[in-house]
Amino acid sequence: EAAVTQSPRNKVTVTGGNVTLSCRQTNSHNYMYWYRQDTGHGLRLIHYSYGAGNLQIGDVPDGYKATRTTQEDFFLLLELASPSQTSLYFCATRDSAETLYFGSGTRLTVL
Amino acid sequence: QQQVRQSPQSLTVWEGETAILNCSYENSAFDYFPWYQQFPGEGPALLIAIRSVSDKKEDGRFTIFFNKREKKLSLHITDSQPGDSATYFCAAYTGYQNFYFGKGTSLTVIP
Repeated sequence: EAAVTQSPRNKVTVTGGNVTLSCRQTNSHNYMYWYRQDTGHGLRLIHYSYGAGNLQIGDVPDGYKATRTTQEDFFLLLELASPSQTSLYFCATRDSAETLYFGSGTRLTVL
Repeated sequence: QQQVRQSPQSLTVWEGETAILNCSYENSAFDYFPWYQQFPGEGPALLIAIRSVSDKKEDGRFTIFFNKREKKLSLHITDSQPGDSATYFCAAYTGYQNFYFGKGTSLTVIP
């Protein structure tokens, strides 16, 4: 049973569209992260959180909002999606031993 | 500024050979270096990690060699198997909340 579950698995939207990516964990970890993965760029941190109501800015935050509603749930919001945001998005949690646990990813296409 | 660099971008070896994946970093404050393995359609998963107080870490066929003075490390996969075909990410961590990932090395093991 996956400890980090992302939904949807795939999403297609149009330029200017509104998209919400969801992540739920059963690890009870404090830290949760949103990354995007692009060929030639590896994994880049968008936003992260260390608890409900907390949000920290990552390295590539422009065009993204995030919200941590509970210990378990972390959402990534694209309010005006652009083709440059076409990517593979991963959610991850971190344990006290500094190990990251990734979800299976959401592939987002912005037409 | 790329904090973590990996080479080669792709690597092909025959089954039974040793694959060597390289990584270098910029920030001397990094003290924890995990390697993540990613199969197509999945999220990355921790393979092996080393802390800067050590110069070598072994786990079965996987070994990390770490050179703090040169800010370099390498992952050696001995007796490579087709099932090792995956993308490998080197990461670095300071003890704060952000991990920095390299762009990855795609390994193919030919039977």
